[in-house]
Amino acid sequence: DIQMTQSPSTLSASVGDRVTITCRASQSFSTWLAWYQQKPGKAPKLLIYKASSLESGVPSRFSGSGSGTEFTLTISSLQPDDFATYYCQQYNDYPWTFGQGTKVEIK
Amino acid sequence: QVQLQQSGPGLVKPSQTLSLSCAISGDSVSSNSAAWNWIRQSPSRGLEWLGRTYYRSNWYSDYAVSVKSRITINPDTSKNQFSLQLNSVTPEDTAVYYCVRDLGALAFDYWGQGTLVTVSS
Repeated sequence: DIQMTQSPSTLSASVGDRVTITCRASQSFSTWLAWYQQKPGKAPKLLIYKASSLESGVPSRFSGSGSGTEFTLTISSLQPDDFATYYCQQYNDYPWTFGQGTKVEIK
Repeated sequence: QVQLQQSGPGLVKPSQTLSLSCAISGDSVSSNSAAWNWIRQSPSRGLEWLGRTYYRSNWYSDYAVSVKSRITINPDTSKNQFSLQLNSVTPEDTAVYYCVRDLGALAFDYWGQGTLVTVSS
């Protein structure tokens, strides 16, 4: 299985900050990586697919990049609605696997 | 707009079978481009993909090795839904279960509301 490791596990930031979350894979692959946002009691919401493609309706302050074993999710200017937990997920090889999550907290 | 509506019991006894259904609106379980997945989430295991079913001229299913001996995911074309059966459950199967659509390259784009299933006597 491809192991996905996110860093940091928790991130404290202020509204307006630029935030970057990293996801490292145990095996290299090209672009089959997605990012999700999850709020308490809700299902995850797709933000980014194919490493850098923005899902329809997702604000442009979210962006994704990377390939190989290192991928990043960037929020260019953190908004109050963005405080949540973020997960990466690879869909290059079965079984599809997720990172352990990064919680973005209010500083 | 695609919607996935989950149903099923929230409490299952150890050694029994966990059964959940997911009703689809806005798409078809027989779509040639979609696949229909079950994913669970628990504090100890995080987000875990369990398996999927999909139609590509024939019906196919793929399962995670961790549950392969215990899981069945079936389509129901008459009701436009799909189901999860997980046999011989233990307390480790306690989790929130989600049904999810994927369109291949577009990852998991639509999720059900989630069902907390507790395995306890």
